[in-house]
Amino acid sequence: GENVEQHPSTLSVQEGDSAVIKCTYSDSASNYFPWYKQELGKRPQLIIDIRSNVGEKKDQRIAVTLNKTAKHFSLHITETQPEDSAVYFCAASIVGNQFYFGTGTSLTVIP
Amino acid sequence: ETGVTQTPRHLVMGMTNKKSLKCEQHLGHNAMYWYKQSAKKPLELMFVYSLEERVENNSVPSRFSPECPNSSHLFLHLHTLQPEDSALYLCASSPEQRDRNTEAFFGQGTRLTVV
Repeated sequence: GENVEQHPSTLSVQEGDSAVIKCTYSDSASNYFPWYKQELGKRPQLIIDIRSNVGEKKDQRIAVTLNKTAKHFSLHITETQPEDSAVYFCAASIVGNQFYFGTGTSLTVIP
Repeated sequence: ETGVTQTPRHLVMGMTNKKSLKCEQHLGHNAMYWYKQSAKKPLELMFVYSLEERVENNSVPSRFSPECPNSSHLFLHLHTLQPEDSALYLCASSPEQRDRNTEAFFGQGTRLTVV
């Protein structure tokens, strides 16, 4: 089955700096890669996703890149703000909507 | 509010008890999922239902028994659980389309404590 690894497990950045979270996956059949943000005590919510036919996608301060050859994808948050503090999960999905999640990254933005 | 509702929000049960978790969605989705979220562990996929038929069972112990009576409701029946089963149990749903992957919407979860 699919194996998704996520690094780092914890990340602290100064407000205004950038944050990068990286994930790798094992199954080349995976073709959908969403990123979820989970604030303390709340449900995971989709913040951005990318499909295997695209190399990069951007939405305001967040962007995701995908390298299919290397089987890795990354989340980039620029100009971080305290409200970006949360746990971020990457996931890889194979046709059939079976999502395999990474271990999560706890991001803390220091004011 | 994503439209996926889970009850109860919190549950404390003894190891000999029997309880059920409920998930409800009125988004018109036809795929529903149970995930387990423990401290320092990823979101672990437990069960997947597509059109009320179970399509995934990730080697989950038999003390967890899912039920999907219709496309809007999903249950997780619990019996003789162990303390290590204490976790946040998340339900999700998605408008499954076989030709493309789609977003999963999560409920707020049930925080389960087994004593």
